[in-house]
Amino acid sequence: NAGVTQTPKFQVLKTGQSMTLQCAQDMNHNSMYWYRQDPGMGLRLIYYSASEGTTDKGEVPNGYNVSRLNKREFSLRLESAAPSQTSVYFCASSATSPGRIYTQYFGPGTRLTVL
Amino acid sequence: GNSVTQMEGPVTLSEEAFLTINCTYTATGYPSLFWYVQYPGEGLQLLLKATKADDKGSNKGFEATYRKETTSFHLEKGSVQVSDSAVYFCALSEMDSSYKLIFGSGTRLLVRP
Repeated sequence: NAGVTQTPKFQVLKTGQSMTLQCAQDMNHNSMYWYRQDPGMGLRLIYYSASEGTTDKGEVPNGYNVSRLNKREFSLRLESAAPSQTSVYFCASSATSPGRIYTQYFGPGTRLTVL
Repeated sequence: GNSVTQMEGPVTLSEEAFLTINCTYTATGYPSLFWYVQYPGEGLQLLLKATKADDKGSNKGFEATYRKETTSFHLEKGSVQVSDSAVYFCALSEMDSSYKLIFGSGTRLLVRP
């Protein structure tokens, strides 16, 4: 099993450009998440998808959109990149069931620089 | 709102020294608590977890006990190795509709030979 995979690993954009970060998991998990990691701030949730067909905003959703393409794939789109979106982006997935909290499994991350 | 506070780093230790990384939390309910580790250039890996008060999570010589009375989940290891050098994140998750993780800011550990 590959677990959680992300593409690309690195990306440099100019202000105003758009791009989509891809994430896929092969663990048959219901829930998927997008976080960003900034120095000294830990990870913050951008968007999540509790199940196929649903998406919801997290703590820092402005400037982003997401698509839960199917159970395996969850993409993050920057429509018009800004320097403030320079960060490392992590995708994660987990199983879910009522009354239980499951471990989240993380991908290797995408390092994005916006000039 | 819910939050996690970790001790500031970096923490620099000699090999075989005792490690403590403090973590305290604020939560409205009864969260599950986690420690994740991030090695250089990699994603986060679960190190250990505890789901209810007085539970002790352990893995690879690391331990943490869920203390509800002090709202703490401190990470300890009796004898660190150079290979333990990494960033350690404390996190909590509550059983709401998102099951999202709320992270502390991370503590960088550097172990010298």
